[in-house]
Amino acid sequence: AQSVTQPDIHITVSEGASLELRCNYSYGATPYLFWYVQSPGQGLQLLLKYFSGDTLVQGIKGFEAEFKRSQSSFNLRKPSVHWSDAAEYFCAVGVSNDYKLSFGAGTTVTVRA
Amino acid sequence: NAGVTQTPKFQVLKTGQSMTLQCAQDMNHNSMYWYRQDPGMGLRLIYYSASEGTTDKGEVPNGYNVSRLNKREFSLRLESAAPSQTSVYFCASRLRVGEQFFGPGTRLTVL
Repeated sequence: AQSVTQPDIHITVSEGASLELRCNYSYGATPYLFWYVQSPGQGLQLLLKYFSGDTLVQGIKGFEAEFKRSQSSFNLRKPSVHWSDAAEYFCAVGVSNDYKLSFGAGTTVTVRA
Repeated sequence: NAGVTQTPKFQVLKTGQSMTLQCAQDMNHNSMYWYRQDPGMGLRLIYYSASEGTTDKGEVPNGYNVSRLNKREFSLRLESAAPSQTSVYFCASRLRVGEQFFGPGTRLTVL
């Protein structure tokens, strides 16, 4: 069965420190991969996406993610977090012949001063 | 260009009442989706419409119905609301392949 796992429910990071959020998937076909961010009380905003090509993708707000096929992972990183990065982050996976996306359960990021 | 809009933003219902959540997109997208979001469970797909005139069940369709009114609009109906349907509901749309664009959500409480 297809699945998306975000192993970390909650991460606390100091402002200015680096951040890495993990995402693992289990799919038979080559997937499309996405990271979304949700600020409190808001909808989901796309941070970045991977369809093919260069496995390191750049997104908005200084985020990047790396697709590693051998590890079935698509981890999100940011070198230096800002207080405004406190939010919930969702990894999502889809395949080309399916209209649907599967979402991970989300990782909540808290930024301390 | 408003993107994906949802009405209402908040709603409180009593058990057994009915209501319709409205969703519209102005991006000429083909596919539209309804999700519910509950703490610790991510987003779960209720129904989707791959194209105008078609609808299909998602992961958690029980207790819900949908109507793809036209290419722009996709509504979600609760015929007899239950406390278990207390959630935040998101509508999304997608052109063909690629990312989904989300609305701001509707916070529904069923007492």
